[in-house]
Amino acid sequence: DTGVSQNPRHKITKRGQNVTFRCDPISEHNRLYWYRQTLGQGPEFLTYFQNEAQLEKSRLLSDRFSAERPKGSFSTLEIQRTEQGDSAMYLCASSHTVSEQFFGPGTRLTVL
Amino acid sequence: SQKIEQNSEALNIQEGKTATLTCNYTNYSPAYLQWYRQDPGRGPVFLLLIRENEKEKRKERLKVTFDTTLKQSLFHITASQPADSATYLCALDGDSGGGADGLTFGKGTHLIIQP
Repeated sequence: DTGVSQNPRHKITKRGQNVTFRCDPISEHNRLYWYRQTLGQGPEFLTYFQNEAQLEKSRLLSDRFSAERPKGSFSTLEIQRTEQGDSAMYLCASSHTVSEQFFGPGTRLTVL
Repeated sequence: SQKIEQNSEALNIQEGKTATLTCNYTNYSPAYLQWYRQDPGRGPVFLLLIRENEKEKRKERLKVTFDTTLKQSLFHITASQPADSATYLCALDGDSGGGADGLTFGKGTHLIIQP
């Protein structure tokens, strides 16, 4: 399968714990995006990489969130000191040009 | 700030009819607009992109129109089938209009095609 993959697919954690998600984009795509989606809402943009450079972060992204994309390939999104409000689906997308984005299946986070 | 509105209620259409979904936006001048399909528990899947200088685009049974004066896009599915039942998301390029930012999505419209 050459699509965008995300791991894990599901994560249950206790409040206050740190979690890390991984995204493997389509190999030739240099643009990578993270979004968060809650029930009944559309995806909300979190951050964007072009190659290894993080070019934009949403005002929604608190300082407990950090993302990396070493070597411009896979990306990780870490949430420190998780809160119940962080429970959501975290989606990763990649693209080759400034056009359509290809989304992964998402990681569903539940914070107890 | 920009705002995107899609039909918030579910849209029920009889099989074989044309489904029409609406996306309205305010405080914004996007360079392009996209439509995605999302099934439960899955990531969105790209369907169509239309640029600000295009009025209409088609792909098989799908048609999208883009009226930058009305600040509205219409998404049509002709000869609808139960398999078309899903949530359809409208998305615009980011704040800068340059397209490098992430997309801004509407809440989506849940479409149900009844056999």
